[in-house]
Amino acid sequence: GQQVMQIPQYQHVQEGEDFTTYCNSSTTLSNIQWYKQRPGGHPVFLIQLVKSGEVKKQKRLTFQFGEAKKNSSLHITATQTTDVGTYFCAGPIIQGAQKLVFGQGTRLTINP
Amino acid sequence: GAGVSQSPSNKVTEKGKDVELRCDPISGHTALYWYRQSLGQGLEFLIYFQGNSAPDKSGLPSDRFSAERTGGSVSTLTIQRTQQEDSAVYLCASSLGQRDAYFGPGTRLTVL
Repeated sequence: GQQVMQIPQYQHVQEGEDFTTYCNSSTTLSNIQWYKQRPGGHPVFLIQLVKSGEVKKQKRLTFQFGEAKKNSSLHITATQTTDVGTYFCAGPIIQGAQKLVFGQGTRLTINP
Repeated sequence: GAGVSQSPSNKVTEKGKDVELRCDPISGHTALYWYRQSLGQGLEFLIYFQGNSAPDKSGLPSDRFSAERTGGSVSTLTIQRTQQEDSAVYLCASSLGQRDAYFGPGTRLTVL
């Protein structure tokens, strides 16, 4: 079954507000990856975190990897309408074979 | 090519017909995934190929679905006797092992 959980499933914010999505795994991950899917598009790789406690920033986006390497978060500061889309986390998990398993995604909508 | 390509981009078929969806991964990528995504939903894992290992078929929803990957490159997803509930966007992704995955633009399948 699904071993990478994401919350919330949906988030609606006013433009300028902050947004955070959380990703949790039942097992320790060697790395965590984040993807963004714009409406009508396909998921696009954003970043990969590897180290325990790692924090990476991409402009207004801040990505964190937990100390236990079981959870991660993506925080967007002062959202803009271009941030609209679905954000997925993914990690390599052994489910049969070891493969990249995606969370269910958090769909972000923004009121301009 | 520069990225993952999929064909056709759109496919409309009648209930009960068979369809074949094609994926051309990035050259040299050992891993290939097929996902299904219904409107506004997350990524539903279907099948995973990794090198010469036996494919992980654990996500295939029924025996009407099958996939093959020839020569470790091109993959074909076949759906036999299509049903209306098969209507979705079928996404292919490739990667080097469990590293960042690159998605194709998808095939939008509509079963009438």
